[in-house]
Amino acid sequence: EADIYQTPRYLVIGTGKKITLECSQTMGHDKMYWYQQDPGMELHLIHYSYGVNSTEKGDLSSESTVSRIRTEHFPLTLESARPSHTSQYLCASSGFGFYGNEQYFGPGTRLTVT
Amino acid sequence: AQSVAQPEDQVNVAEGNPLTVKCTYSVSGNPYLFWYVQYPNRGLQFLLKYITGDNLVKGSYGFEAEFNKSQTSFHLKKPSALVSDSALYFCAVRDGDGNNRLAFGKGNQVVVIP
Repeated sequence: EADIYQTPRYLVIGTGKKITLECSQTMGHDKMYWYQQDPGMELHLIHYSYGVNSTEKGDLSSESTVSRIRTEHFPLTLESARPSHTSQYLCASSGFGFYGNEQYFGPGTRLTVT
Repeated sequence: AQSVAQPEDQVNVAEGNPLTVKCTYSVSGNPYLFWYVQYPNRGLQFLLKYITGDNLVKGSYGFEAEFNKSQTSFHLKKPSALVSDSALYFCAVRDGDGNNRLAFGKGNQVVVIP
């Protein structure tokens, strides 16, 4: 099992609320990623980071934002949740070096916006 | 940009029979290929990867994959399927020319019939 943690595992929240999805890893990995996945469907990269104070947008446009103030922590924030944000959010990290390092995934947060 | 195709939506196989999950890729430069498995309500678990060297790669839980450069394929195989292998399988590719992000296929649902 990879040492990467996500909280909460499940979240049901009303429209307009601000939410933060937490992701932490204890492996000292420099790279971290956020993916969005509808149940049983493909993954879409929405944010990634190559290190502290580095964040980039991914392939799928997202209204969420991320920060990377500490190596081990990569939270995702939605300022105003909408039903269209209902999905599963997966956090991942990978180790040193640019090539061939597999990503390790957290258990995911299933978000439902009512 | 790199991409992966997993042509089958679902693979059904009887327990004890060989299991094959197909994956073809498109990438500029040398490919770095990965297989992941996802169980219900869980994150992705790394199975195996091809970076260089032998075309037959062995991974976790008795899985292996064969890299075929001429056919741009990286099919996942298991000689004898178990009911517990029923899950969602994702193929992924990373471009070897400096792009550090993974592109995932849409996934294949594997159903092993007792």
